[in-house]
Amino acid sequence: AQSVTQLDSQVPVFEEAPVELRCNYSSSVSVYLFWYVQYPNQGLQLLLKYLSGSTLVESINGFEAEFNKSQTSFHLRKPSVHISDTAEYFCAVSEVAGGTSYGKLTFGQGTILTVHP
Amino acid sequence: DGGITQSPKYLFRKEGQNVTLSCEQNLNHDAMYWYRQDPGQGLRLIYYSQIVNDFQKGDIAEGYSVSREKKESFPLTVTSAQKNPTAFYLCASRPGQGNTEAFFGQGTRLTVV
Repeated sequence: AQSVTQLDSQVPVFEEAPVELRCNYSSSVSVYLFWYVQYPNQGLQLLLKYLSGSTLVESINGFEAEFNKSQTSFHLRKPSVHISDTAEYFCAVSEVAGGTSYGKLTFGQGTILTVHP
Repeated sequence: DGGITQSPKYLFRKEGQNVTLSCEQNLNHDAMYWYRQDPGQGLRLIYYSQIVNDFQKGDIAEGYSVSREKKESFPLTVTSAQKNPTAFYLCASRPGQGNTEAFFGQGTRLTVV
Protein backbone atom coordinates (compact mmCIF):
# COMPACT_ATOMS: atom_id res chain seq x y z
CA ALA A 1 0.00 0.00 0.00
CA GLN A 2 1.11 3.53 -0.63
CA SER A 3 1.15 6.45 1.77
CA VAL A 4 1.88 10.16 1.59
CA THR A 5 3.18 12.40 4.35
CA GLN A 6 3.14 16.15 4.18
CA LEU A 7 5.56 17.23 6.82
CA ASP A 8 4.03 20.59 7.67
CA SER A 9 0.35 21.14 8.43
CA GLN A 10 0.70 24.94 8.28
CA VAL A 11 3.28 27.19 6.66
CA PRO A 12 3.08 30.95 7.25
CA VAL A 13 5.27 33.18 5.09
CA PHE A 14 5.53 36.82 4.12
CA GLU A 15 4.73 38.01 0.63
CA GLU A 16 7.65 37.76 -1.82
CA ALA A 17 9.48 35.25 0.40
CA PRO A 18 10.40 31.78 -0.90
CA VAL A 19 8.47 28.75 0.29
CA GLU A 20 8.88 24.99 0.30
CA LEU A 21 6.06 22.56 1.07
CA ARG A 22 7.42 19.12 1.83
CA CYS A 23 6.00 15.81 0.67
CA ASN A 24 7.33 12.30 1.19
CA TYR A 25 5.71 9.13 -0.08
CA SER A 26 6.01 5.40 0.39
CA SER A 27 5.16 2.81 -2.24
CA SER A 28 6.36 -0.63 -3.28
CA VAL A 29 5.77 0.17 -6.97
CA SER A 30 6.30 3.09 -9.30
CA VAL A 31 4.05 6.08 -8.80
CA TYR A 32 2.84 9.20 -10.49
CA LEU A 33 3.03 12.29 -8.29
CA PHE A 34 0.73 15.29 -8.12
CA TRP A 35 0.29 18.56 -6.30
CA TYR A 36 -3.23 19.93 -6.04
CA VAL A 37 -4.35 23.30 -4.63
CA GLN A 38 -7.64 23.95 -2.86
CA TYR A 39 -9.18 27.34 -2.11
CA PRO A 40 -11.77 27.55 0.70
CA ASN A 41 -14.95 25.56 0.05
CA GLN A 42 -13.88 24.64 -3.44
CA GLY A 43 -12.70 21.55 -5.25
CA LEU A 44 -9.12 20.69 -6.03
CA GLN A 45 -7.18 22.10 -8.95
CA LEU A 46 -4.12 20.40 -10.38
CA LEU A 47 -1.00 22.45 -9.85
CA LEU A 48 1.58 20.16 -11.41
CA LYS A 49 2.38 16.50 -11.96
CA TYR A 50 5.29 14.15 -12.44
CA LEU A 51 4.74 11.14 -14.67
CA SER A 52 8.18 10.45 -16.12
CA GLY A 53 11.15 12.20 -17.68
CA SER A 54 12.66 15.32 -16.17
CA THR A 55 12.48 15.20 -12.41
CA LEU A 56 11.82 18.94 -12.20
CA VAL A 57 8.31 19.97 -13.16
CA GLU A 58 6.91 23.47 -13.27
CA SER A 59 3.48 25.09 -13.17
CA ILE A 60 2.37 28.15 -15.08
CA ASN A 61 2.14 30.28 -11.93
CA GLY A 62 5.72 29.87 -10.76
CA PHE A 63 5.57 26.74 -8.61
CA GLU A 64 7.97 23.89 -9.22
CA ALA A 65 8.46 20.45 -7.71
CA GLU A 66 11.32 18.00 -7.91
CA PHE A 67 10.92 14.25 -7.84
CA ASN A 68 13.67 12.62 -5.80
CA LYS A 69 13.42 8.86 -6.10
CA SER A 70 16.16 8.04 -3.62
CA GLN A 71 14.54 10.17 -0.94
CA THR A 72 10.99 9.36 -2.08
CA SER A 73 10.13 13.03 -1.99
CA PHE A 74 8.25 15.51 -4.17
CA HIS A 75 8.68 18.89 -2.50
CA LEU A 76 6.87 21.94 -3.85
CA ARG A 77 8.72 25.26 -4.08
CA LYS A 78 8.10 28.81 -5.15
CA PRO A 79 10.85 31.45 -5.09
CA SER A 80 8.50 34.37 -4.36
CA VAL A 81 4.94 33.94 -3.09
CA HIS A 82 1.94 36.23 -3.50
CA ILE A 83 -1.06 36.84 -1.27
CA SER A 84 -3.14 34.96 -3.84
CA ASP A 85 -1.13 31.78 -3.19
CA THR A 86 -2.84 31.43 0.19
CA ALA A 87 -4.61 28.07 0.01
CA GLU A 88 -4.33 24.45 1.08
CA TYR A 89 -1.97 22.28 -0.91
CA PHE A 90 -2.22 18.51 -1.27
CA CYS A 91 0.41 16.10 -2.42
CA ALA A 92 -0.93 12.89 -3.97
CA VAL A 93 0.36 9.70 -5.55
CA SER A 94 -1.13 7.18 -7.92
CA GLU A 95 0.34 3.73 -8.31
CA VAL A 96 1.52 2.65 -11.74
CA ALA A 97 1.00 -0.89 -12.96
CA GLY A 98 2.02 -2.06 -16.40
CA GLY A 99 2.97 1.45 -17.39
CA THR A 100 -0.41 2.93 -16.62
CA SER A 101 -2.45 4.11 -13.67
CA TYR A 102 -6.04 3.43 -12.60
CA GLY A 103 -6.17 6.93 -11.20
CA LYS A 104 -6.84 6.11 -7.55
CA LEU A 105 -5.15 8.85 -5.60
CA THR A 106 -3.65 8.63 -2.14
CA PHE A 107 -3.42 12.07 -0.58
CA GLY A 108 -1.31 13.63 2.11
CA GLN A 109 -2.93 15.44 4.98
CA GLY A 110 -2.58 18.84 3.34
CA THR A 111 -0.48 21.94 4.06
CA ILE A 112 -2.16 25.28 4.65
CA LEU A 113 -0.03 28.02 3.13
CA THR A 114 -0.78 31.47 4.49
CA VAL A 115 0.92 34.42 2.84
CA HIS A 116 1.04 37.58 4.95
CA PRO A 117 1.52 41.08 3.54
CA ASP B 1 -18.77 24.42 -20.60
CA GLY B 2 -17.23 21.04 -19.86
CA GLY B 3 -16.87 20.10 -16.25
CA ILE B 4 -17.99 18.21 -13.18
CA THR B 5 -21.06 19.38 -11.35
CA GLN B 6 -21.80 18.42 -7.78
CA SER B 7 -25.07 19.33 -6.20
CA PRO B 8 -26.11 20.63 -3.84
CA LYS B 9 -23.17 22.64 -2.51
CA TYR B 10 -24.50 22.46 1.06
CA LEU B 11 -26.70 19.71 2.45
CA PHE B 12 -28.22 19.25 5.88
CA ARG B 13 -29.80 16.02 7.07
CA LYS B 14 -31.07 14.56 10.29
CA GLU B 15 -29.24 11.65 11.82
CA GLY B 16 -30.57 8.31 10.61
CA GLN B 17 -31.63 9.52 7.17
CA ASN B 18 -30.07 8.36 3.94
CA VAL B 19 -28.93 11.12 1.59
CA THR B 20 -27.77 11.07 -2.02
CA LEU B 21 -25.10 13.39 -3.41
CA SER B 22 -25.15 14.10 -7.10
CA CYS B 23 -22.14 14.11 -9.43
CA GLU B 24 -22.50 14.73 -13.16
CA GLN B 25 -19.78 15.19 -15.75
CA ASN B 26 -19.95 16.17 -19.41
CA LEU B 27 -16.28 15.52 -20.13
CA ASN B 28 -16.94 12.07 -21.60
CA HIS B 29 -14.66 10.59 -18.95
CA ASP B 30 -14.74 6.87 -18.29
CA ALA B 31 -13.57 6.87 -14.69
CA MET B 32 -15.23 8.57 -11.74
CA TYR B 33 -14.31 8.76 -8.07
CA TRP B 34 -15.73 9.84 -4.72
CA TYR B 35 -13.50 11.21 -1.99
CA ARG B 36 -14.25 12.34 1.52
CA GLN B 37 -12.33 15.23 3.05
CA ASP B 38 -11.99 15.84 6.78
CA PRO B 39 -9.84 18.60 8.32
CA GLY B 40 -6.24 17.51 8.78
CA GLN B 41 -6.79 14.14 7.09
CA GLY B 42 -6.53 14.92 3.44
CA LEU B 43 -8.86 13.12 1.05
CA ARG B 44 -9.80 9.48 1.31
CA LEU B 45 -11.24 7.34 -1.47
CA ILE B 46 -14.78 6.05 -0.91
CA TYR B 47 -15.71 4.40 -4.22
CA TYR B 48 -14.56 4.50 -7.81
CA SER B 49 -15.82 3.38 -11.18
CA GLN B 50 -13.73 2.69 -14.26
CA ILE B 51 -16.66 2.03 -16.60
CA VAL B 52 -20.45 2.11 -16.66
CA ASN B 53 -22.18 -0.55 -14.56
CA ASP B 54 -19.01 -1.33 -12.64
CA PHE B 55 -17.58 0.12 -9.44
CA GLN B 56 -15.19 -0.83 -6.65
CA LYS B 57 -14.83 -0.01 -3.00
CA GLY B 58 -12.15 2.41 -1.95
CA ASP B 59 -10.49 2.71 1.42
CA ILE B 60 -13.54 3.87 3.42
CA ALA B 61 -16.59 2.41 1.67
CA GLU B 62 -18.48 1.30 4.79
CA GLY B 63 -21.77 3.16 5.15
CA TYR B 64 -21.79 4.39 1.54
CA SER B 65 -23.24 3.10 -1.72
CA VAL B 66 -22.94 4.16 -5.36
CA SER B 67 -24.34 3.38 -8.79
CA ARG B 68 -23.00 3.95 -12.28
CA GLU B 69 -25.92 3.46 -14.67
CA LYS B 70 -24.80 6.22 -17.01
CA LYS B 71 -21.36 7.36 -18.04
CA GLU B 72 -22.11 10.94 -17.01
CA SER B 73 -23.43 10.23 -13.54
CA PHE B 74 -22.01 8.70 -10.36
CA PRO B 75 -24.30 9.42 -7.38
CA LEU B 76 -23.16 8.67 -3.84
CA THR B 77 -25.61 7.63 -1.12
CA VAL B 78 -24.61 8.21 2.47
CA THR B 79 -26.57 5.70 4.48
CA SER B 80 -27.59 5.71 8.11
CA ALA B 81 -24.88 3.09 8.69
CA GLN B 82 -22.17 5.70 8.17
CA LYS B 83 -21.19 6.57 11.74
CA ASN B 84 -19.71 10.00 11.08
CA PRO B 85 -21.14 11.35 7.83
CA THR B 86 -20.51 15.07 8.34
CA ALA B 87 -17.73 15.95 5.88
CA PHE B 88 -16.85 17.60 2.59
CA TYR B 89 -17.42 15.21 -0.34
CA LEU B 90 -15.55 15.58 -3.61
CA CYS B 91 -16.29 13.87 -6.88
CA ALA B 92 -13.64 13.50 -9.57
CA SER B 93 -13.39 12.09 -13.06
CA ARG B 94 -10.65 11.01 -15.40
CA PRO B 95 -10.57 10.03 -19.09
CA GLY B 96 -9.64 6.45 -18.22
CA GLN B 97 -6.50 4.43 -18.00
CA GLY B 98 -3.41 6.26 -19.04
CA ASN B 99 -1.21 9.08 -17.95
CA THR B 100 -3.89 11.58 -17.05
CA GLU B 101 -4.85 13.44 -13.94
CA ALA B 102 -8.21 13.60 -12.19
CA PHE B 103 -10.49 16.62 -12.47
CA PHE B 104 -12.51 17.56 -9.40
CA GLY B 105 -15.95 19.01 -8.81
CA GLN B 106 -16.60 21.87 -6.38
CA GLY B 107 -17.70 19.57 -3.59
CA THR B 108 -20.74 19.07 -1.37
CA ARG B 109 -20.56 19.89 2.30
CA LEU B 110 -22.82 17.49 4.18
CA THR B 111 -23.84 18.26 7.74
CA VAL B 112 -25.78 15.70 9.72
CA VAL B 113 -27.49 16.95 12.85
